[in-house]
Amino acid sequence: AQSVAQPEDQVNVAEGNPLTVKCTYSVSGNPYLFWYVQYPNRGLQFLLKYITGDNLVKGSYGFEAEFNKSQTSFHLKKPSALVSDSALYFCAVSYTGGFKTIFGAGTRLFVKA
Amino acid sequence: EAQVTQNPRYLITVTGKKLTVTCSQNMNHEYMSWYRQDPGLGLRQIYYSMNVEVTDKGDVPEGYKVSRKEKRNFPLILESPSPNQTSLYFCASSLLTSGRAETQYFGPGTRLLVL
Repeated sequence: AQSVAQPEDQVNVAEGNPLTVKCTYSVSGNPYLFWYVQYPNRGLQFLLKYITGDNLVKGSYGFEAEFNKSQTSFHLKKPSALVSDSALYFCAVSYTGGFKTIFGAGTRLFVKA
Repeated sequence: EAQVTQNPRYLITVTGKKLTVTCSQNMNHEYMSWYRQDPGLGLRQIYYSMNVEVTDKGDVPEGYKVSRKEKRNFPLILESPSPNQTSLYFCASSLLTSGRAETQYFGPGTRLLVL
């Protein structure tokens, strides 16, 4: 079965420190991979995506993610966290043969000043 | 402004009273989708549509109906709502690339409470 896992419900990091939010997936074929962010009482906003090409993808607000095919992972990273990065982050995958999109359960990021 | 709109934003109803949540996009996207968001479960796909008159079930379609008569609109219908459909609902749209959904643009959400 196709699935996306975000193994951490919550990530805590101090402002200025690097952050990582983990995502692993299990889908058939070559997936499209996405990260979205949700601020309180808001809809989801697109951060970045991997379709093909360079495994390191850069996105909005200084975020980046690395696609690792052998480990089927797509971890979200940022070199220096900001308090304003505190939000709920979702990893998502769309895949061939079904038009479906699967989301992870989400990881809540807390950045402490 | 490119956007996905949903109405209503908040809705309180009673068990069994039919309701419709509307969704409209102005980006000429082929793909539209409905999700529900529940704590600890992330977003789960209810239904999606690849184009006008083409829809299919997502992972949690039970108790919901959809239609796609026009490219811009994708209403979600609850024929007989039950308390377990209390949730936060999102509509999204995107282009299709190589048979897959691309970046999705989300509406602001509809918070539904079924008593």
